[in-house]
Amino acid sequence: AAGVIQSPRHLIKEKRETATLKCYPIPRHDTVYWYQQGPGQDPQFLISFYEKMQSDKGSIPDRFSAQQFSDYHSELNMSSLELGDSALYFCASSGDGQETQYFGPGTRLLVL
Amino acid sequence: LAKTTQPISMDSYEGQEVNITCSHNNIATNDYITWYQQFPSQGPRFIIQGYKTKVTNEVASLFIPADRKSSTLSLPRVSLSDTAVYYCLVGGSSGGYNKLIFGAGTRLAVHP
Repeated sequence: AAGVIQSPRHLIKEKRETATLKCYPIPRHDTVYWYQQGPGQDPQFLISFYEKMQSDKGSIPDRFSAQQFSDYHSELNMSSLELGDSALYFCASSGDGQETQYFGPGTRLLVL
Repeated sequence: LAKTTQPISMDSYEGQEVNITCSHNNIATNDYITWYQQFPSQGPRFIIQGYKTKVTNEVASLFIPADRKSSTLSLPRVSLSDTAVYYCLVGGSSGGYNKLIFGAGTRLAVHP
């Protein structure tokens, strides 16, 4: 079965640079969620979209923005990167009549 | 969203049954209970979800008492590959699209 796709899988950036993470949900899923997991920490919810509209917002820094496109894929844009932004970023999707969230493999971001 | 409490860590041996109990005293009437498994550097993987009584699938069983203030994830005959962090999450409602609030999961170590 098709799963959530995230790209890139690994990303290295320097401080103050920008990064764009992409998420392609499972086919027929209309809701996308973004989570951040720092080293040794539990996943933390950042933001979610349902039918291309922001549906919920968590502890997402103002330097980050995200959107969901007409094909339901989503992008997380991160600007003015800081060392503390180094983490795993997971995307999850749900839909097709079910609310269970299915996670992607994650993007590992390293800020130097 | 209801807060959950589960053991920080557990140890077991191959072939044994493992039961991980989660407390959620403030669970709301329309909340579901969901368990995820996470391996290092991988996205959380959905294991099982339930509302009341007992739910069983091909990998686990979930026991929920009548008062729903706790739940127990049962893993039959664990193997080394079951070594992971297990998260208990409470929230959401049928038809809703809700973020997942991860608390401190249970680190299960399975020994030979």
